[in-house]
Amino acid sequence: SQQGEEDPQALSIQEGENATMNCSYKTSINNLQWYRQNSGRGLVHLILIRSNEREKHSGRLRVTLDTSKKSSSLLITASRAADTASYFCATDSVGGTSYGKLTFGQGTILTVHP
Amino acid sequence: GAVVSQHPSRVICKSGTSVKIECRSLDFQATTMFWYRQFPKQSLMLMATSNEGSKATYEQGVEKDKFLINHASLTLSTLTVTSAHPEDSSFYICSVSRAETQYFGPGTRLLVL
Repeated sequence: SQQGEEDPQALSIQEGENATMNCSYKTSINNLQWYRQNSGRGLVHLILIRSNEREKHSGRLRVTLDTSKKSSSLLITASRAADTASYFCATDSVGGTSYGKLTFGQGTILTVHP
Repeated sequence: GAVVSQHPSRVICKSGTSVKIECRSLDFQATTMFWYRQFPKQSLMLMATSNEGSKATYEQGVEKDKFLINHASLTLSTLTVTSAHPEDSSFYICSVSRAETQYFGPGTRLLVL
């Protein structure tokens, strides 16, 4: 079953604007990861944030994690048309039987207009 | 990171036939690989965990006799969809777990007519 939900389901913005996507989950986690998927392709790992971390940056990406609310956000600053893709959060839950077993959110479809 | 390949990238087959999908870890010896399925405009659903040298672990609701997984070496796992039906048409993606991160293959699109 899916771990949680992402919102918005779809986001349409202009180049140069910031894009914020949110993810909620249900169980205790070891870490939360964000992935990008271009249409019909595999997933690309963007960033990982551990349960004891609150914020992490990588280039134009900023991820926050609030374990008390069981939620995370992904911010893409100064968006580009090439950022157009689906973005998924995925959680590695505590007590999982397989190390690295991920549960994915529903995803946000981001469209950046040039 | 890790480089993961899948073959074939897309396959069309007739209903009732079996299809084998290969997942290779090109630069990393993977004792564990994962198989996911993704329907159009939906998220990834974990099907099974492939363990080198032992039986795969299947998620609830996934038929192990229909989706045969073989992880015969540290670099290769195969998923065989047996007696495929149109409802098995989907995007199948494998991944390799390295430390805390999973690295995904490019996926295989299966269309069953």
